[in-house]
Amino acid sequence: AQKVTQAQTEISVVEKEDVTLDCVYETRDTTYYLFWYKQPPSGELVFLIRRNSFDEQNEISGRYSWNFQKSTSSFNFTITASQVVDSAVYFCALSEGPYSGAGSYQLTFGKGTKLSVIP
Amino acid sequence: NAGVTQTPKFRVLKTGQSMTLLCAQDMNHEYMYWYRQDPGMGLRLIHYSVGEGTTAKGEVPDGYNVSRLKKQNFLLGLESAAPSQTSVYFCASSYSGLATGELFFGEGSRLTVL
Repeated sequence: AQKVTQAQTEISVVEKEDVTLDCVYETRDTTYYLFWYKQPPSGELVFLIRRNSFDEQNEISGRYSWNFQKSTSSFNFTITASQVVDSAVYFCALSEGPYSGAGSYQLTFGKGTKLSVIP
Repeated sequence: NAGVTQTPKFRVLKTGQSMTLLCAQDMNHEYMYWYRQDPGMGLRLIHYSVGEGTTAKGEVPDGYNVSRLKKQNFLLGLESAAPSQTSVYFCASSYSGLATGELFFGEGSRLTVL
């Protein structure tokens, strides 16, 4: 069975600090997909990134970057120079590949990390 | 751009009452999902549908029923509400499997069962 662990329940940083949100996953599949979603205080869920298990290249999008390491089953998310608008709950999620039947349609979410950026 | 729309946004029920949450998407997506979000638990899949006329159980299906009579709509029903069903419910849809797509979420429906 697939599982996602976000060990950091809450993190507080001062504005302009860098912060890394950890995500560790478990799956028996060799094909799988990892996601990050953001949930701001308004409550909606915003898609940030999807990464497949065959692409271990790190990705950078503005102040956001993601580090995917299959060797440690981790998909960590770093925000550089944090801003107050980054305050939100961040969810890491996993979907197993197309060879797992319905697994390819389902996302398993971690419990989320609440990030508070203090001005 | 409506995307995924959930109604109602808020509802208070008494134990034993029934209700239906409606999810509508205008993106012609094949797959639709109902999740619940509880404090400290993340999002958990209740039921999902991979096409019109089909439904399947997710991680926490007990106490809920669903129907997908039209491609654009996915209904979540509570036949006899219990306080344990107090939660925020999110509907989501995707065009294809998650190998190539992502989930698009509605804004959530907050349900309180007294």
